[in-house]
Amino acid sequence: KAGVTQTPRYLIKTRGQQVTLSCSPISGHRSVSWYQQTPGQGLQFLFEYFSETQRNKGNFPGRFSGRQFSNSRSEMNVSTLELGDSALYLCASSSPASPGTEAFFGQGTRLTVV
Amino acid sequence: KQEVTQIPAALSVPEGENLVLNCSFTDSAIYNLQWFRQDPGKGLTSLLLIQSSQREQTSGRLNASLDKSSGRSTLYIAASQPGDSATYLCAVRFRDDKIIFGKGTRLHILP
Repeated sequence: KAGVTQTPRYLIKTRGQQVTLSCSPISGHRSVSWYQQTPGQGLQFLFEYFSETQRNKGNFPGRFSGRQFSNSRSEMNVSTLELGDSALYLCASSSPASPGTEAFFGQGTRLTVV
Repeated sequence: KQEVTQIPAALSVPEGENLVLNCSFTDSAIYNLQWFRQDPGKGLTSLLLIQSSQREQTSGRLNASLDKSSGRSTLYIAASQPGDSATYLCAVRFRDDKIIFGKGTRLHILP
């Protein structure tokens, strides 16, 4: 079956702009999580959605937001981009019969803010 | 404060050797711990998932152990191969639902 699909793979934006990233989970998976990966901070948890509801949130400013649709696809939005938002953004999907089942990751979206 | 630490940050070993990667966490109230590998510029590939009630999981040449009381997990790789070169990450899901990753161990297998 198809894996987790993230689009676009690469993105270049200017400071102050906003960006929307998309994640399509594995078919049948209802949980989608988003992560930011930078060389300095490593992988940091952004938020998790389950059945269109945000279930969990990391320590990121309100400029970072997300949503999940009825087909479990998820989008992440970053407004008023800053240079420090340049990172690899990864999403993971899982099928939680109980909390914390195995997570499967997409290839990521590489965002560069100039 | 919940933290996940991986030691060493980088490791180089000759091909064929067995090796152990370490992951430690500061809060024993966890749901599970998951080991991943990441190749440069790519996403994460799940290797092993250990639930809090389990002591170890095995997949091929990989064996992961979990000692919740001491806050430690190890990933054992047997008979290492050049294709094992990657960054290995552990992630802990705590009971308060926070998911925290270690910073990873960069592994280089020397042919």
